[in-house]
Amino acid sequence: QKEVEQDPGPLSVPEGAIVSLNCTYSNSAFQYFMWYRQYSRKGPELLMYTYSSGNKEDGRFTAQVDKSSKYISLFIRDSQPSDSATYLCAMSGDYGQNFVFGPGTRLSVLP
Amino acid sequence: KAGVTQTPRYLIKTRGQQVTLSCSPISGHRSVSWYQQTPGQGLQFLFEYFSETQRNKGNFPGRFSGRQFSNSRSEMNVSTLELGDSALYLCATSKQGWGDEQYFGPGTRLTVT
Repeated sequence: QKEVEQDPGPLSVPEGAIVSLNCTYSNSAFQYFMWYRQYSRKGPELLMYTYSSGNKEDGRFTAQVDKSSKYISLFIRDSQPSDSATYLCAMSGDYGQNFVFGPGTRLSVLP
Repeated sequence: KAGVTQTPRYLIKTRGQQVTLSCSPISGHRSVSWYQQTPGQGLQFLFEYFSETQRNKGNFPGRFSGRQFSNSRSEMNVSTLELGDSALYLCATSKQGWGDEQYFGPGTRLTVT
């Protein structure tokens, strides 16, 4: 079992749809959870950063962390064609544990 | 505020050669982490430097090495290049490293022929 698993995609949705992206993980030591967006030929861009369980909202993006289920989600409301990219979840533990990334989900938002 | 800078952006090398990549962090960031990204393996952690010391290391062979200078700029070196080293090499910087928000550079695309 991989340490972090992510819905493989690719995912295609119409413009304006609500998108749900999900990751599961196996290491209960993870405390910090992130979502990155990566456009083709670019480095990943930090979208959301959360610590421990709970929800965090930023504009059209909402991140949810459920540590009891080892499950994190990113919701995108009113999706736009400019949201078309690969979305990577990432997580790390305390005291110098390395960042671990999920394999990514490619999202296409169709006009 | 200037972002993370990586040079060169593109590089073509032949098997057996060595290569050095550079990463300049955001001002005030002391932690620099290096990652290898390939279609098959995704993003894999190479190592992290903080205050000129390697603090964490991933599962890569000794051909991959790095260093950090007093101004926090970091270099990554790959010796005896293999075809499988062809990848996008990304660096990410943050103020403290673990538990901190990481910001990525645009990457260096290395092709080994």
